[in-house]
Amino acid sequence: IQLTQSPSSLSASVGDRVTITCRASQGIVSHLAWYQQKPGKAPDLLIYGASILQSGVPSRFSGSGSGTDFTLTISSLQPEDFATYYCQHLNSIPMIFGQGTRLEIK
Amino acid sequence: EVQLLESGGGLVQPGGSLRLSCVASGFVFRNTYMDWVRQAPGKGLEWVANIGPDGRDINHVDSVKGRFTISRDNAKNLLYLQMSSLRVEDTAVYYCIAAIIGTGGRFYLDSWGQGTLVTVSS
Repeated sequence: IQLTQSPSSLSASVGDRVTITCRASQGIVSHLAWYQQKPGKAPDLLIYGASILQSGVPSRFSGSGSGTDFTLTISSLQPEDFATYYCQHLNSIPMIFGQGTRLEIK
Repeated sequence: EVQLLESGGGLVQPGGSLRLSCVASGFVFRNTYMDWVRQAPGKGLEWVANIGPDGRDINHVDSVKGRFTISRDNAKNLLYLQMSSLRVEDTAVYYCIAAIIGTGGRFYLDSWGQGTLVTVSS
């Protein structure tokens, strides 16, 4: 199973609504996670089960989708949200990651 | 509080070996799937291996099969990654992860260590 994230990079402003997509090469039900990674730090789990918000993650983050098409939405960008975002499928071995989306300040 | 502390990284020559360790605390280690994920400098994340709670369910990505072995010691709350026949392309930060959160029959990578750097170079 391959994952294709888009876009690979994105420039946006504080307050913008942003959507990142992740497409699987075959159906993965809802076995998908989203992570945020800041430079020099380990990734943080944001969303699991495609749409379940991890404890402590702000409600401006949301995930949706099932089957092959998934989205991560940030409803109103905050300064601390500028980072790289990865999707990962857990449907089968190997549990690969998407190539990442770098979210930059416009 | 979940804590994962990796050790064992460093500089090794191509063809050499290293063993990474990860000591876990703050959760019931013996009941938890554990994973290793790596990240080459400036690159994305690559899932490497995982191991089930009792050590019987073991999986590795194809690129490390036959060279890397994941294992665990539940009595000591330790996770290991034995790496041999190391290649330049194995250079990466290696993260130890506890997959505590489960839903839909899957355990998600919710708690990450800070990572340990492995550099393979002559």
